[in-house]
Amino acid sequence: DTAVSQTPKYLVTQMGNDKSIKCEQNLGHDTMYWYKQDSKKFLKIMFSYNNKELIINETVPNRFSPKSPDKAHLNLHINSLELGDSAVYFCASSQEGKTHGYTFGSGTRLTVV
Amino acid sequence: QQQVKQSPQSLIVQKGGISIINCAYENTAFDYFPWYQQFPGKGPALLIAIRPDVSEKKEGRFTISFNKSAKQFSLHIMDSQPGDSATYFCAASRRTGANNLFFGTGTRLTVIP
Repeated sequence: DTAVSQTPKYLVTQMGNDKSIKCEQNLGHDTMYWYKQDSKKFLKIMFSYNNKELIINETVPNRFSPKSPDKAHLNLHINSLELGDSAVYFCASSQEGKTHGYTFGSGTRLTVV
Repeated sequence: QQQVKQSPQSLIVQKGGISIINCAYENTAFDYFPWYQQFPGKGPALLIAIRPDVSEKKEGRFTISFNKSAKQFSLHIMDSQPGDSATYFCAASRRTGANNLFFGTGTRLTVIP
């Protein structure tokens, strides 16, 4: 049973479009994250949500917005997509206080053409 | 600014050899140091982790060595196998506040049969 699942796995879209990536975790964790992995494999945190509250918001463009309908879901919305947004986006979750280990999803490869 | 520095960027090791990856950090508030393993097309997966109150942790063929005074830690893979070929990331986070994980830049390990 998948712990952190992301959809879609691949996303190809044109510049200027708006797209969303969905993430769900069934681990009962209280914090979820979005990471961006660029072509050089560097992992950079974009957002995290704890109990429906945004607690970290790195310097990402405001075209990116996380939305959490409940603590098991953290979706990523991207408006006006640009070529530079092409990357692999990973969702992750963790439980504060019990372990600092993150569980990652398998990633969404976004290609903007 | 890169919170965690990792080297080498790539590593080629013969089967049966020892793979060593090094990381360094500056923030003394960090108190949790995990290593993640990532295979192509997959998300990073927690491999092994250490807290600064111990100098070494071993799990099977994988060992973390930790030097608190030097603010350095390393991953040793003994008897390296072709199946160990992957990208390895060190990371660091702190116990209090947002337990945000800061990743190193990754090391691409190739184990030659």
